[in-house]
Amino acid sequence: AQKITQTQPGMFVQEKEAVTLDCTYDTSDPSYGLFWYKQPSSGEMIFLIYQGSYDQQNATEGRYSLNFQKARKSANLVISASQLGDSAMYFCAILQRGSSNTGKLIFGQGTTLQVKP
Amino acid sequence: NAGVTQTPKFQVLKTGQSMTLQCAQDMNHEYMSWYRQDPGMGLRLIHYSVGAGITDQGEVPNGYNVSRSTTEDFPLRLLSAAPSQTSVYFCASSPSPSRRRGGANVLTFGAGSRLTVL
Repeated sequence: AQKITQTQPGMFVQEKEAVTLDCTYDTSDPSYGLFWYKQPSSGEMIFLIYQGSYDQQNATEGRYSLNFQKARKSANLVISASQLGDSAMYFCAILQRGSSNTGKLIFGQGTTLQVKP
Repeated sequence: NAGVTQTPKFQVLKTGQSMTLQCAQDMNHEYMSWYRQDPGMGLRLIHYSVGAGITDQGEVPNGYNVSRSTTEDFPLRLLSAAPSQTSVYFCASSPSPSRRRGGANVLTFGAGSRLTVL
């Protein structure tokens, strides 16, 4: 069974500084995908970034980058130059591919990020 | 382009009542799923479907029923509501699993439905 662990229930960061949100995962499947979603206080789920298990380079999307360490089974999200609008809950999720390829996305517990002015 | 539409947005039920949360998507996505979100628990998968006529259980299926008669619709039924089912429910969809190899399969979420069971 797959599992995603986010060990930081809450984080604070000063505006304009960088912050790293931790995510570790457990899977026996050699082919998988890792996602990060943002959930602001309004409640919607916003896709941020994706990393495939066979991707050679770490994914980047604007101010978001993913520090993917396959051997350690970690996929930490790095937000550079934090903005007040980055204050939200952040979820890491894993997608199993494998032979069944059912597309189930399993989420971690989430990390609440607060950006201080 | 409406994306994923969930109704109702809010609902209060009494213990033992039944109800259906509606979910519709207009993106021709084959994969649809239901999650519940509880404080400190993240999002947990209830049921999912990889196409019309095909459904399967997720992590927390007990007390819920689903069907997928069309590609567009994936309703979630609470058979006999319990206070433990008080939660925020999200419906989400994505393109066919077979088209996802080598690329990201991004779930598109609905706005959520807040359910309170008294």
